[in-house]
Amino acid sequence: AQKVTQAQTEISVVEKEDVTLDCVYETRDTTYYLFWYKQPPSGELVFLIRRNSFDEQNEISGRYSWNFQKSTSSFNFTITASQVVDSAVYFCALSDVYNQGGKLIFGQGTELSVKP
Amino acid sequence: DADVTQTPRNRITKTGKRIMLECSQTKGHDRMYWYRQDPGLGLRLIYYSFDVKDINKGEISDGYSVSRQAQAKFSLSLESAIPNQTALYFCATSEGAGGPSGANVLTFGAGSRLTVL
Repeated sequence: AQKVTQAQTEISVVEKEDVTLDCVYETRDTTYYLFWYKQPPSGELVFLIRRNSFDEQNEISGRYSWNFQKSTSSFNFTITASQVVDSAVYFCALSDVYNQGGKLIFGQGTELSVKP
Repeated sequence: DADVTQTPRNRITKTGKRIMLECSQTKGHDRMYWYRQDPGLGLRLIYYSFDVKDINKGEISDGYSVSRQAQAKFSLSLESAIPNQTALYFCATSEGAGGPSGANVLTFGAGSRLTVL
């Protein structure tokens, strides 16, 4: 069965600190997709990234970076020089490439609080 | 206007009442989904639909039903609401498998917060 674990329930940092959100997944599929979504206090869910299992290159987008390691089944998310606006709940999710689309398995979420 | 609109945004009801949450989208996507969010559990899939004639149960469909009235509309019903259905409900859409973004990049609505007393 597929499973996503975000062991960090809550993280609190001071502005400008770097922070890494952990995501560990389980799947028997050899081809799959991994995602990160952001849920700010306003409540909507915002898509951040999708990565397929064939592409283990790390990705950087501004202050955001993602580290995908198949060997440890992890897809961690780092925010560099955090800002108050980064305060949100972050969800990691998994889907197999052959699924009927949209059947994402979500982790429990990590609530990040960035204090000024 | 939002691409995916959910109504109502907030609803308080009593045990045993019938509730309908509505979702409409202007994305032109074929696929629509209802997810439920509970603290500490993430999001779980209730129902999904790949087109007007296709409805499928998700992980936690018991106690819920859906109707796909048109490509752009997908409603979720609680026939007899119970307190443990108190949650934040999200509607989402995605393209079909052949779309440029892929079938599993979801666009979410703003959520409907339901409280069952």
